[in-house]
Amino acid sequence: KAGVTQTPRYLIKTRGQQVTLSCSPISGHRSVSWYQQTPGQGLQFLFEYFSETQRNKGNFPGRFSGRQFSNSRSEMNVSTLELGDSALYLCASRETGGDGYTFGSGTRLTVV
Amino acid sequence: GQNIDQPTEMTATEGAIVQINCTYQTSGFNGLFWYQQHAGEAPTFLSYNVLDGLEEKGRFSSFLSRSKGYSYLLLKELQMKDSASYLCAVISGGSYIPTFGRGTSLIVHP
Repeated sequence: KAGVTQTPRYLIKTRGQQVTLSCSPISGHRSVSWYQQTPGQGLQFLFEYFSETQRNKGNFPGRFSGRQFSNSRSEMNVSTLELGDSALYLCASRETGGDGYTFGSGTRLTVV
Repeated sequence: GQNIDQPTEMTATEGAIVQINCTYQTSGFNGLFWYQQHAGEAPTFLSYNVLDGLEEKGRFSSFLSRSKGYSYLLLKELQMKDSASYLCAVISGGSYIPTFGRGTSLIVHP
């Protein structure tokens, strides 16, 4: 079974630009969550999608948005990038009724 | 809100035993995860505790005391490859979204 796939692995963007990150969950997993990981704050929850609907949302500004498609693939978008958005963005999927989340390897975003 | 505390860094010797503690304050506790994350890699699931007590999985064991808001991850027969960050995460309330601590960086030296 393929794991959680995130693309791209690395990204460099300029302040003010926007970026879209992609996540393909494990086949059959309908719940997809996104996290931001920085050295200072650790893993911070962004949002969770289930069956194309945002089910939970963390405390991030509206510049951070996401969506989920009918095949459970998910994208997150960050508009008007700031230097502080530089981080590792992790996607995780979970099987309905399952215990643990399976994480992807992440997208390392650097804003310059 | 939730408050999760873990030591920032620990060091241990190859072959030894190390215990990584996690304390939490939350309402409506549902469960506690431990994840391992090597530098530059994805966090990988180690354990999920819902009930009090010790759960053993090979060299790794996880303990939970709900009344004390306390958990620990016990690593035995340490190997160099165990050098990683260990993340404690709590699920509470109605959602199944884990809230993570900042992680404990474990350094295993020869």
